[in-house]
Parts: sequence; structure tokens; C-alpha cells
Amino acid sequence: DTGVSQDPRHKITKRGQNVTFRCDPISEHNRLYWYRQTLGQGPEFLTYFQNEAQLEKSRLLSDRFSAERPKGSFSTLEIQRTEQGDSAMYLCASSLGREPEAFFGQGTRLTVV
Amino acid sequence: GNSVTQMEGPVTLSEEAFLTINCTYTATGYPSLFWYVQYPGEGLQLLLKATKADDKGSNKGFEATYRKETTSFHLEKGSVQVSDSAVYFCALNSYSGGGADGLTFGKGTHLIIQP
Repeated sequence: DTGVSQDPRHKITKRGQNVTFRCDPISEHNRLYWYRQTLGQGPEFLTYFQNEAQLEKSRLLSDRFSAERPKGSFSTLEIQRTEQGDSAMYLCASSLGREPEAFFGQGTRLTVV
Repeated sequence: GNSVTQMEGPVTLSEEAFLTINCTYTATGYPSLFWYVQYPGEGLQLLLKATKADDKGSNKGFEATYRKETTSFHLEKGSVQVSDSAVYFCALNSYSGGGADGLTFGKGTHLIIQP
């Protein structure tokens, strides 16, 4: 399967702990996006990479959130000192060049208890 | 800023009924418009797209026309099937300042098709 893959699919963590999610985009895609989706809402844009450069960050991305894409391939999203309000589905998407559509992974569901 | 408004759900229809899900948008620049679908237990999938005014996107019997004058991109299907039951998201991507701003999504419309 050559789609976008995310790991883990589910994560339960205690408040205050750090968590890290991984996204592997479609191999030839140079653009990678992170979104957050809460129940009953559409996905909300968090951040965007073109190759290894992080070019856009939403104001939703607080200082506790950090994303990297060190070699322009896979990406990680880390949340430090998790809060209950961080509970959500975290979605990764990738796209190629100037093509406007993005292809999504199945997401990582985070539950903070 | 960019925003997408779509009709609230759930929308419940009988099989073979005609479907319309309304979507209107506000955007800077020249947006591309999309419908994504999320089937139960699966990730978001691109259903169709339109990149400029008056374009019609179509896929799997679904259609949507990019109407700049009414800032709308309504989703239609002539005869729905039980397998169309899913959550549908209208979205836009507006390139401004030369960058990619990411997709802006509506809240989603849950469609339930009864046999």
C-alpha cells in the first residue's frame, strides 16, 4: 500500500505526559500537512512542510506542539505536557507539487485521561 | 479569512433518492474547492474537486459545480445507495502570498441512506 500511513492509530496517555506521532507520506509527495479533528467538527489545519522546511503554522499550534520533517520524508508531531483538551484525531496528509488536493492518512486518535 | 459552511446533518434519505448537500464558502485569493468523504472507520478520501469558476467536479455519480457568483459548491447525486452513507466534508484551499495555506474544512454532513 502506498498511501499515507500514521502510527500509532490510537494513543491513550495521562495528562502531563509527552506523546509523539509519526506520519509517512506518499513517497513522491513533497508537501506534508498536519490537521486536528475533534468530534463533530471538520479537520483544522495545524502546520505544513514543503520538503524539510516548515512553512506554515496555525495559531492552533501552541508552544507545547512541535513538528519536524528532518529529511523531507516522514514527519513527527510531538505534544508536550498533554492536556485533556488535546484529545482529538490527528490527521496527516500529503500532496505533490502545486497539485491542490491532499491525500490523508487514517489518523492517530489521542485520548488524554 | 477563509471559511466553509455546509448544511448540518444528519441527512437521512431513502435509497435511490436525490441528494443535495449545500456548501458555501468565503475565501481570499482564488480557491480550489473539494468534497472529501469519510466512510465509517476509514480516513478522509477525496471525492471530487474543482479548481476554477464554472468547473464541474464529478466522481462515483456525485457532482459539484464551482459557482463563484454565489460562492457555492453544492454536492449532488441523482440516486443514492446505502453504500453512500458516510460523512461528507466540503473544503477549500486558497493560495495567497505564494504559499499553501492548507485546507479549510466545513463541519461535515453525516449522510444516512436507508434501504
